[in-house]
Amino acid sequence: GAVVSQHPSWVICKSGTSVKIECRSLDFQATTMFWYRQFPKQSLMLMATSNEGSKATYEQGVEKDKFLINHASLTLSTLTVTSAHPEDSSFYICSARPSNQPQHFGDGTRLSIL
Amino acid sequence: GENVGLHLPTLSVQEGDNSIINCAYSNSASDYFIWYKQESGKGPQFIIDIRSNMDKRQGQRVTVLLNKTVKHLSLQIAATQPGDSAVYFCAEKRRNTPLVFGKGTRLSVIA
Repeated sequence: GAVVSQHPSWVICKSGTSVKIECRSLDFQATTMFWYRQFPKQSLMLMATSNEGSKATYEQGVEKDKFLINHASLTLSTLTVTSAHPEDSSFYICSARPSNQPQHFGDGTRLSIL
Repeated sequence: GENVGLHLPTLSVQEGDNSIINCAYSNSASDYFIWYKQESGKGPQFIIDIRSNMDKRQGQRVTVLLNKTVKHLSLQIAATQPGDSAVYFCAEKRRNTPLVFGKGTRLSVIA
């Protein structure tokens, strides 16, 4: 069964809206979670590493004020896309690694900004 | 810069045939490799992994081969089935760094 759960799976909203995506680790604690973005027919690109109890680490070129990450508990990380615009439309995927297991991924959130 | 790439962007195989998906990596410091399968609208699903101290690992119907000399990774799927149709990604990792994904290969199984 799934070890990483994402919610919502699909979001459609107007330009300028802020959207929050949740990522939960199921049955294990994750001090670190990862957020990826995937455009159509492309690979997954790491956006940031979410660290429980401390600031996220963002990859080069990813605006930290645009993509707010909060990792307030050992089982939950959230990604908020602030003031979303059509160019932010993408497939956002989170990931976490249970102890002694490979990195597992959620089923993604398809974000469509009108 | 260093990256993980694939030789074949698309692959079509007949049902029942074996499939081979290739991946090249350029960072000799990578010591852990994973193959993921991604179906449409879903997140990547773990298939098989291999560490750099091995050159072959087998799972159920899948085999991963690692050639460190030429920095090449392959995924072999035996008796390919329609349910194997998906995009396959290789990913590499070095100690204390996140996973880096390759470009992906779309596998289409012809019934």
